[in-house]
Amino acid sequence: GENVEQHPSTLSVQEGDSAVIKCTYSDSASNYFPWYKQELGKRPQLIIDIRSNVGEKKDQRIAVTLNKTAKHFSLHITETQPEDSAVYFCAASNSASKIIFGSGTRLSIRP
Amino acid sequence: DAGITQSPRHKVTETGTPVTLRCHQTENHRYMYWYRQDPGHGLRLIHYSYGVKDTDKGEVSDGYSVSRSKTEDFLLTLESATSSQTSVYFCAISETPGTGGDKLFFGSGTQLSVL
Repeated sequence: GENVEQHPSTLSVQEGDSAVIKCTYSDSASNYFPWYKQELGKRPQLIIDIRSNVGEKKDQRIAVTLNKTAKHFSLHITETQPEDSAVYFCAASNSASKIIFGSGTRLSIRP
Repeated sequence: DAGITQSPRHKVTETGTPVTLRCHQTENHRYMYWYRQDPGHGLRLIHYSYGVKDTDKGEVSDGYSVSRSKTEDFLLTLESATSSQTSVYFCAISETPGTGGDKLFFGSGTQLSVL
């Protein structure tokens, strides 16, 4: 079955700098790659997603890139702000409904 | 937020006792999921359902069973709880994975402690 690996497990960046989180997946049939953000004590919420027919997608300060050949995808956050502090999860799925998550990255923004 | 409710929100139980967690949705979404969240492991899929009485195993299904007798309810049962099942359990719903409706909406979670 699908296996998703996520790195790093923790990340600390200066406010205003960029943050990058990377994930790899194992199932070449996976075609959907979402990213979720979980603030402390809250439920995970979708922040951005990408499908396998697209190489990059942007939404304001957030972007996701996908390399199907290498089976990896990344989340890029630019101009980080204190409210970006959270745990971020990548995930992968195919049309068979299973949505498998990575182990998460705890992002801290230093003032 | 999507209409998804988990109950109970918190539960403390003893090893060996049966436990049932309930997920109720008012969105009429076809797909429902149970995940557990543990430090260092992220969100791991336990079981999921793609329709009434249609369920399948996830990554960590041993020791868990599920039932879905109505579209709106998805039950997760620990037949004989163990300390390793102490976790936060999240229910999630989605419309139709693979066809554009893949977005997961999560419930608020259930904190389960098995002593």
